[in-house]
Amino acid sequence: QSALTQPASVSGSPGQSITISCIGTSSDVGSYDYVSWYQQYPGKAPKLMIYDVSKWPSGVSNRFSGSKSGNTASLTISGLQAEDEGDYYCGSFTSRHTYVFGTGTRVTV
Amino acid sequence: EVQLVESGGGLVQPGGSLRLSCVVSGFTFRSYWMHWVRQVPGKGLEWVSRINTEGGSIIYADSVKGRFTISRDNAKNTLYLQMNSLRAEDTAIYYCARDINYNQADQWGQGTLVTVSS
Repeated sequence: QSALTQPASVSGSPGQSITISCIGTSSDVGSYDYVSWYQQYPGKAPKLMIYDVSKWPSGVSNRFSGSKSGNTASLTISGLQAEDEGDYYCGSFTSRHTYVFGTGTRVTV
Repeated sequence: EVQLVESGGGLVQPGGSLRLSCVVSGFTFRSYWMHWVRQVPGKGLEWVSRINTEGGSIIYADSVKGRFTISRDNAKNTLYLQMNSLRAEDTAIYYCARDINYNQADQWGQGTLVTVSS
């Protein structure tokens, strides 16, 4: 199972909005609404930010929003803040009932 | 407070074995599917394995199939990963994680580092 494809880096200024793409296939992103997004700071464990394409876990800011079209999922961060700087990974359930992560995106504010 | 605490990592020679443990607290362990996920330091995340609530449904990534075994002891609130025939490419931080649904993980441990080297 190949990793989902994400841009290596995305940057934005405070207050701006940025969008991170996550390109999969018809065997994962394109077939299931079980796409999630994780935020990770250096040396820390990942944190779930979005699940089921667009749902928020308890305590996550609604500045983070998710969507999907075809084989591509997206994470949008609105009102960018310094604390949003870090690595972001998408992930998807697959047709083999496994899970595949994206290649990861470094967000710079 | 939900807590997942991994242990058992360390330095092991190629071909060797290691067993990781993940002790959880703050939630009803027996009600949740659980995962192991690994990450080479400085690199991306790789999903390793998943086990259902009773241990009757297990699945592995192709990269570890036949070498790693996931298991759980619901009485001890503990998840395990038995790793055999270890290779240099298994060197990574290993995280245990709680499933929210369809292999998406909502709670993660802090990770334990496994280094495979001679």
